Amino acid sequence: ETGVTQTPRHLVMGMTNKKSLKCEQHLGHNAMYWYKQSAKKPLELMFVYSLEERVENNSVPSRFSPECPNSSHLFLHLHTLQPEDSALYLCASSQDRRVQYFGPGTRLTVT
Amino acid sequence: KNEVEQSPQNLTAQEGEFITINCSYSVGISALHWLQQHPGGGIVSLFMLSSGKKKHGRLIATINIQEKHSSLHITASHPRDSAVYICAVERGTYKYIFGTGTRLKVLA
Repeated sequence: ETGVTQTPRHLVMGMTNKKSLKCEQHLGHNAMYWYKQSAKKPLELMFVYSLEERVENNSVPSRFSPECPNSSHLFLHLHTLQPEDSALYLCASSQDRRVQYFGPGTRLTVT
Repeated sequence: KNEVEQSPQNLTAQEGEFITINCSYSVGISALHWLQQHPGGGIVSLFMLSSGKKKHGRLIATINIQEKHSSLHITASHPRDSAVYICAVERGTYKYIFGTGTRLKVLA
């Protein structure tokens, strides 16, 4: 595997479910990001981890819980989501604050 | 008014045309990024700029810090350039603001 991978690529979940999105980077980077992209809206940065510590949390509801167990892996744990949380969730990584490399995204539908 | 504005929102061009996409911002920045997003969602970083001009193949990006403006140019456009182009500004450490994107369609 090369670059940034995300699993699953598609996810449908009910509002009472708990699920997790996974991101893995194979680039040796030290920063990882979660973004949300809703239809007709700009990209929104949700969380940033640098050296496995959370450095940015842009007022994201607590039903989204990130986890960064090591510099290569990033998770987004989801619980009791709302239909408006349906979106494309993108992971990215970078070395420090240099150019970011994006994963293919997970398209999430909340029913 | 958004802090990052892109124009045009939509652009259709014929293959071979020279294309310009503009980005204006109203805040102080440390860097500006241009991203390309193809149908299906995948995003590729094209450029990261803090001054001047960068070129990569048929793509050229410029920034004027005093005027708070950046342009992305595509020379000899090709249908495979069809994508959404997104401008993003970096305000300090890990603080990014994104434009709404310019949807480009290049016709053969």
